[in-house]
Amino acid sequence: GEQVEQRPPHLSVREGDSAVIICTYTDPNSYYFFWYKQEPGAGLQLLMKVFSSTEINEGQGFTVLLNKKDKQLSLNLTAAHPGDSAVYFCAVSAWTGGLSGKLTFGEGTQVTVIS
Amino acid sequence: EAGVTQSPRYAVLQEGQAVSFWCDPISGHDTLYWYQQPRDQGPQLLVYFRDEAVIDNSQLPSDRFSAVRPKGTNSTLKIQSAKQGDTATYLCASSRDISAETLYFGSGTRLTVL
Repeated sequence: GEQVEQRPPHLSVREGDSAVIICTYTDPNSYYFFWYKQEPGAGLQLLMKVFSSTEINEGQGFTVLLNKKDKQLSLNLTAAHPGDSAVYFCAVSAWTGGLSGKLTFGEGTQVTVIS
Repeated sequence: EAGVTQSPRYAVLQEGQAVSFWCDPISGHDTLYWYQQPRDQGPQLLVYFRDEAVIDNSQLPSDRFSAVRPKGTNSTLKIQSAKQGDTATYLCASSRDISAETLYFGSGTRLTVL
């Protein structure tokens, strides 16, 4: 089955600096890719979903890059601020004759923004 | 529009005790998921439903865990005889339909088994 490896597990970044989280997946049938943010005591908040290869997607304060050739998904936090401190998860869903909401998650990255 | 609602927020019990978690999905969402998230790990799918039917429960420990969604709306996840290894946050999520790519998560129930 699908396996998703997420690195690094912990990340400290100074306010205003950038930081990158990378996920590597195994299933070539993976179709939709997601980044979620989880703040303490809260559920998972969807940051972005992507499905096009080598597409750069820009959100508010972050950029997502998908490279299907290398089976890699990355999240780049640009100009980090204290509100970005949280745990970030990547997640992948596979095409199995039809889409389903079954997601395989990475292990998570604890991001701490230092003022 | 109300989000996914879960209760209780926290549960603490001794090994061998039973516990139930309740989830109210977003209105109109026909697909509902239960994920288990151990501390410092990513969520792992336990079971999911389309309406009242179980689509996949292959990752649900069937000897002690059960999940139902009798009317295709709210759902209950029950642990019959909890073990310390069940300590985790239990997340419920819903999606518009089974092929919808976006899941909406509740805040979870944090379970501690002593």
